[in-house]
Amino acid sequence: KAGVTQTPRYLIKTRGQQVTLSCSPISGHRSVSWYQQTPGQGLQFLFEYFSETQRNKGNFPGRFSGRQFSNSRSEMNVSTLELGDSALYLCASSSTWGGVNEQFFGPGTRLTVL
Amino acid sequence: SQKIEQNSEALNIQEGKTATLTCNYTNYSPAYLQWYRQDPGRGPVFLLLIRENEKEKRKERLKVTFDTTLKQSLFHITASQPADSATYLCALIIPGNQFYFGTGTSLTVIP
Repeated sequence: KAGVTQTPRYLIKTRGQQVTLSCSPISGHRSVSWYQQTPGQGLQFLFEYFSETQRNKGNFPGRFSGRQFSNSRSEMNVSTLELGDSALYLCASSSTWGGVNEQFFGPGTRLTVL
Repeated sequence: SQKIEQNSEALNIQEGKTATLTCNYTNYSPAYLQWYRQDPGRGPVFLLLIRENEKEKRKERLKVTFDTTLKQSLFHITASQPADSATYLCALIIPGNQFYFGTGTSLTVIP
């Protein structure tokens, strides 16, 4: 079974731009969660989608948004990029939502904002 | 807000010994607690999940305990091997399903 895939793997943007990241979950998984990982703050939860509906949301500004498609693939968008948005963005898929079962993480997208 | 502390940023132990990692939390009571392993340049890999009504969980050389009174989880790796060297993360899942991760403990097993 193929694992979680994320595209692109690396991205360089400048302040003020916007970016869209993509995540394809494991086949059959309907939950996709997004996380931001930085050396100082660690792994921080952004949001979770299940069956195209946002189920949970972390404490991030509205510049961070996401969506999920009917095939469970998910996208995350960050508008008006700031230097502090530089981070590794990870997505994780699960067969159920809410942390009841294990999450399978993708390799991440390394975003650098200049 | 939820605060999670994992013991010391780095832990070095001798091969064959038992590594014990600590995860302490404040405020809310999690419904579940998960432990992950993360290697450099890769996403975390799930290891174990323990529920609030469970005291202990085992999987091969791994053991997790969960003390809701102390607000603490302990993660043990017995008979540690150099291949166990990695960063270990604990994650709390709060009712309402917020996920909170600790910043991790970097474990080095010395041959």
